[in-house]
Amino acid sequence: EADIYQTPRYLVIGTGKKITLECSQTMGHDKMYWYQQDPGMELHLIHYSYGVNSTEKGDLSSESTVSRIRTEHFPLTLESARPSHTSQYLCASSDLTSDSYNEQFFGPGTRLTVL
Amino acid sequence: GENVEQHPSTLSVQEGDSAVIKCTYSDSASNYFPWYKQELGKRPQLIIDIRSNVGEKKDQRIAVTLNKTAKHFSLHITETQPEDSAVYFCAASRGSTLGRLYFGRGTQLTVWP
Repeated sequence: EADIYQTPRYLVIGTGKKITLECSQTMGHDKMYWYQQDPGMELHLIHYSYGVNSTEKGDLSSESTVSRIRTEHFPLTLESARPSHTSQYLCASSDLTSDSYNEQFFGPGTRLTVL
Repeated sequence: GENVEQHPSTLSVQEGDSAVIKCTYSDSASNYFPWYKQELGKRPQLIIDIRSNVGEKKDQRIAVTLNKTAKHFSLHITETQPEDSAVYFCAASRGSTLGRLYFGRGTQLTVWP
């Protein structure tokens, strides 16, 4: 079944650790996104990508990096986790066509807690 | 960049009443306006969208209206039901291949039985 998968679903980690949040999609989409969201609150765009070897910074990108080596895979890395990174991280994807009138499909999210 | 303002932040209505959520945007080049619904503990899902060449769009109990001159658009939910309780996000985009969505801050809608 076509879907977006995120692992881990929950992560508790200590300050200073390097972490990578995984996102994979079987939707066949070219565009992928990372959002940070406190539960029920505003969606903040962190990074996005138009396709392989393409990455763009969003509004909260300064403390994380992404890579897009394969179409279906878009991992997010925090080099040094801090308590302020405690939040939910949502991955999303959409089709890349001649316009961007395309629905974004979201993954189930990773709930990160940094102690 | 684009700035999307959304009001109100919380909205409580009685079952069967109507609910209206309003958004304004700043970029006159924006031409695509989707609405997402996020139920508690679940992922956001698109419920309706509208393009700038259309003034209104309906889908059963939900409708969206767009006023390009005033740069605002609204979500209307009629005959609300408890399962409509969720956070609703509006968004705006330029609708180009390289575009991204700019989201509003969300509205927590609670429908009381």
